[in-house]
Amino acid sequence: GQNIDQPTEMTATEGAIVQINCTYQTSGFNGLFWYQQHAGEAPTFLSYNVLDGLEEKGRFSSFLSRSKGYSYLLLKELQMKDSASYLCAVRDGGYSTLTFGKGTMLLVSP
Amino acid sequence: DADVTQTPRNRITKTGKRIMLECSQTKGHDRMYWYRQDPGLGLRLIYYSFDVKDINKGEISDGYSVSRQAQAKFSLSLESAIPNQTALYFCATSDFQTDSFSEQFFGPGTRLTVL
Repeated sequence: GQNIDQPTEMTATEGAIVQINCTYQTSGFNGLFWYQQHAGEAPTFLSYNVLDGLEEKGRFSSFLSRSKGYSYLLLKELQMKDSASYLCAVRDGGYSTLTFGKGTMLLVSP
Repeated sequence: DADVTQTPRNRITKTGKRIMLECSQTKGHDRMYWYRQDPGLGLRLIYYSFDVKDINKGEISDGYSVSRQAQAKFSLSLESAIPNQTALYFCATSDFQTDSFSEQFFGPGTRLTVL
């Protein structure tokens, strides 16, 4: 099975940098995804890591360490619109399904 | 036009009623999924399908059934709804290519309330 842990809530200030951590224990692994979800809306894809290291995409970066079962999402130059829930999800070894963490609610204040 | 659509967007029903939620997609993806989302529990997989003749149970399939009528359509049924099934339901689609992310694309969600 899969077990995915991420903090429930985080707060940060506009313009700052925030790091959202995700740890996982899985029976198989074929990639880790980060999704953003605004309240009442659908999740939208942010990033994907399958190899160790950092993937950068504008203000957002995601890091993966497979040996440690650890990932983080780094958000730079925070904006008010970044207030949302951030979901970490692991794909199983057979490329079949995603298992999602419970999500981290990020509140960005002025 | 939206690539993944869900109907209805909101539904209030009573305990014991049969309910069908529908999902359609124009992305041409083979894979379709149904999730439910509850506060504090995250997204949990109910059923998934990789083509028209393929149905697979997810983590929480009890009390639900699905039908894949065509590549573009995947419906979720609650045979006898109970209040515990009050939740936000999402449909998602993906293709599968070993050289791409094959990320899932989500519909707008259906908010279901069972009284």
